[in-house]
Amino acid sequence: GAVVSQHPSWVICKSGTSVKIECRSLDFQATTMFWYRQFPKQSLMLMATSNEGSKATYEQGVEKDKFLINHASLTLSTLTVTSAHPEDSSFYICSARPSAKNIQYFGAGTRLSVL
Amino acid sequence: GIQVEQSPPDLILQEGANSTLRCNFSDSVNNLQWFHQNPWGQLINLFYIPSGTKQNGRLSATTVATERYSLLYISSSQTTDSGVYFCAVGLTGGGNKLTFGTGTQLKVEL
Repeated sequence: GAVVSQHPSWVICKSGTSVKIECRSLDFQATTMFWYRQFPKQSLMLMATSNEGSKATYEQGVEKDKFLINHASLTLSTLTVTSAHPEDSSFYICSARPSAKNIQYFGAGTRLSVL
Repeated sequence: GIQVEQSPPDLILQEGANSTLRCNFSDSVNNLQWFHQNPWGQLINLFYIPSGTKQNGRLSATTVATERYSLLYISSSQTTDSGVYFCAVGLTGGGNKLTFGTGTQLKVEL
């Protein structure tokens, strides 16, 4: 149980284009989903908290107009990197928290390379 | 914000050896999770342990919340244990957010 699917696992795009990443909880409902970014040899940094049916809460320093988050259902959240640039290249990981539980389960991550 | 420090930062073991990884945090927490990040980047849940002791096979963990630290024990290590181990904590009253530690890079050699 508690499986989180993230898609795509790897994406290469040209500078200036937008990329959408999906995060799905497959066998539970997730009131809250989270988006993290990890640069090589570093720890995970929380970018934003996504609550179903409401606007995402972004961490300090994260541009909300660049990283658009939509959490339209209890099993799906999406992260869109708009007008991507090479400095946005990173490993993006989502997590989901089952309702009434205090545990986060993580997707397999998406490696984004912007050329 | 809360500080989460892990030690050691790097660790090399011979297969079969035991090890202890430490996670220190600077504030009161109501959530603590240990993860293993494999070479492909997948985070694998090891323990949810905001307090007390748990065991799962060759792994066990202890959190002493009043003293603000947690320990992860790996016994009879195997090469498949290699990877990065993270602890992550949730601040009491912090809205379910997790702050990740600095990580321990473990390599188990034959």
